[in-house]
Amino acid sequence: GAGVSQSPRYKVAKRGQDVALRCDPISGHVSLFWYQQALGQGPEFLTYFQNEAQLDKSGLPSDRFFAERPEGSVSTLKIQRTQQEDSAVYLCASNPLREYYGYTFGSGTRLTVV
Amino acid sequence: AQSVTQLGSHVSVSEGALVLLRCNYSSSVPPYLFWYVQYPNQGLQLLLKYTTGATLVKGINGFEAEFKKSETSFHLTKPSAHMSDAAEYFCAVSEWTGTASKLTFGTGTRLQVTL
Repeated sequence: GAGVSQSPRYKVAKRGQDVALRCDPISGHVSLFWYQQALGQGPEFLTYFQNEAQLDKSGLPSDRFFAERPEGSVSTLKIQRTQQEDSAVYLCASNPLREYYGYTFGSGTRLTVV
Repeated sequence: AQSVTQLGSHVSVSEGALVLLRCNYSSSVPPYLFWYVQYPNQGLQLLLKYTTGATLVKGINGFEAEFKKSETSFHLTKPSAHMSDAAEYFCAVSEWTGTASKLTFGTGTRLQVTL
């Protein structure tokens, strides 16, 4: 597609519920990133994929967070047993591989845990 | 580890006045530097980037930034503010680690433009 598409745009989850957030990157983009943006803060790195390989997951805050990109295109970020502190905007970004191309971000999914 | 500091969480300017948003970084290797803009309820839009070459970088919407290695700075400027510039601005630094490049963001500066 022309841009990075994320769905849903908004998600309200009850505490303890599992959620799945989807990212559809720009076609052909090798690299895919997930970021978490808490209210009033800058985005913070969660995880990175190069094609289907998850090369860096050092930013995932707990083992309740899991990401996959099985065919090297669409990616899903799953959060199990959501907690209130998981409330944030989750941003997905993609680029052709190297950082000098810049990063194209999606509009994000705003997750609210109640 | 790389880091970014944005001085001033809120900046207010009059329409037509100079916009100056400050960004300082730390990086162990020559950095790639970015400025992004975020409008309410939207994702991040790339304004401009510095990779190599000319240290004065021009971006979209009349913005520009200058990479100053000696000052480890990458301040964003625009000669004349417009109401439509009101948004959140993020400075970011990227390093290639050999397997991945991670963007590290500052905490952002909210720009308010008044009549």
